[in-house]
Amino acid sequence: KAGVTQTPRYLIKTRGQQVTLSCSPISGHRSVSWYQQTPGQGLQFLFEYFSETQRNKGNFPGRFSGRQFSNSRSEMNVSTLELGDSALYLCASSSLEGGVGELFFGEGSRLTVL
Amino acid sequence: DQQVKQNSPSLSVQEGRISILNCDYTNSMFDYFLWYKKYPAEGPTFLISISSIKDKNEDGRFTVFLNKSAKHLSLHIVPSQPGDSAVYFCAARGDYKLSFGAGTTVTVRA
Repeated sequence: KAGVTQTPRYLIKTRGQQVTLSCSPISGHRSVSWYQQTPGQGLQFLFEYFSETQRNKGNFPGRFSGRQFSNSRSEMNVSTLELGDSALYLCASSSLEGGVGELFFGEGSRLTVL
Repeated sequence: DQQVKQNSPSLSVQEGRISILNCDYTNSMFDYFLWYKKYPAEGPTFLISISSIKDKNEDGRFTVFLNKSAKHLSLHIVPSQPGDSAVYFCAARGDYKLSFGAGTTVTVRA
């Protein structure tokens, strides 16, 4: 079956703009988690959605938000972009709430903020 | 606050030898530990896991050891192969989410 799909794969924005990233989980998976990967910091947890509800949130400012639709697809939005937001944003899906089962990751969306 | 730490950012090993990757954690409530492997331009993929009630789990060339008293786990790869060259992330489950380390880049030399 198809894996986790993230779009767009690459994007360039300027400071102050906003961006929306999309994630389609594996069919049947209802949990979607988002992570930010930066060099030296590993994967930092952003938030997790299950059945259209945010179940958990990491330590990121309110500029980072997300949502999940009834078909389990998820979007994350970053407003008022800063240079430090440049990173690889990874989406992962799981069949279990809390992402506590095995996580299946997409290839990521690489965001560059100029 | 980084609850999962991989203190070695890189590791170079000769093909056929053992690779040992280390991971330390601070939260005693973590109940499940996982290792993920990541190639460039790809998302991380699950490698092996271990429950907190065990001290060893083996899967082919990969073995994970858990020392709860030391809050330490390690991944052994024997023998190392060129295809093992990748970034390895240690992750721990707690509070309904996974916390990841910063990763260790493994390079297997021919």
